[in-house]
Amino acid sequence: RKEVEQDPGPFNVPEGATVAFNCTYSNSASQSFFWYRQDCRKEPKLLMSVYSSGNEDGRFTAQLNRASQYISLLIRDSKLSDSATYLCVVNSNTGNQFYFGTGTSLTVIP
Amino acid sequence: GAVVSQHPSWVICKSGTSVKIECRSLDFQATTMFWYRQFPKQSLMLMATSNEGSKATYEQGVEKDKFLINHASLTLSTLTVTSAHPEDSSFYICSARVDRGVGQFNYGYTFGSGTRLTVV
Repeated sequence: RKEVEQDPGPFNVPEGATVAFNCTYSNSASQSFFWYRQDCRKEPKLLMSVYSSGNEDGRFTAQLNRASQYISLLIRDSKLSDSATYLCVVNSNTGNQFYFGTGTSLTVIP
Repeated sequence: GAVVSQHPSWVICKSGTSVKIECRSLDFQATTMFWYRQFPKQSLMLMATSNEGSKATYEQGVEKDKFLINHASLTLSTLTVTSAHPEDSSFYICSARVDRGVGQFNYGYTFGSGTRLTVV
């Protein structure tokens, strides 16, 4: 079983829509969780860390569900500039290893 | 913020030649550097982890004699693809751990800009 599993999409949504991505992880001892954004042929960039209590940053909301071992990312009022691949990342319980999901492709359509 | 400078960003080489990729931490000390590879439409896959002054730890299936990693200083790590072949063509990217003090999120990771290697 993969460490991190993510629906690759693609998700094609109209501007202004709300879209949500889920990502499951296999290691229940995982400690840290992140969402990264990757534009085509560029390096991944940190979008949000995911806190146990959930956290919000503008139009973006991240949630962690430890019981079901998944993290989610909600994007409200989608913008054209949100089009990218969103990677969920789980840090191992030893702290020094990143596991990446395959990424979910989002295209926001005018 | 912490910046990792990676170069070259793009390289084409002939089959059988070697290519060196450098990652430099510009405003912090990178004690740990991770090297990833990403094939088209696939996830980033960890190749190896290097700690300054010691030998790199390679992931299963990654040939250590083919992908030479050197992390001789706290600001420089290099990946050399030796005797490159077309199947080595990929996007290579480094990532450094950045320590920020105490607390649950007392560290982060910053990525280099990546190197697109094409072997012909």
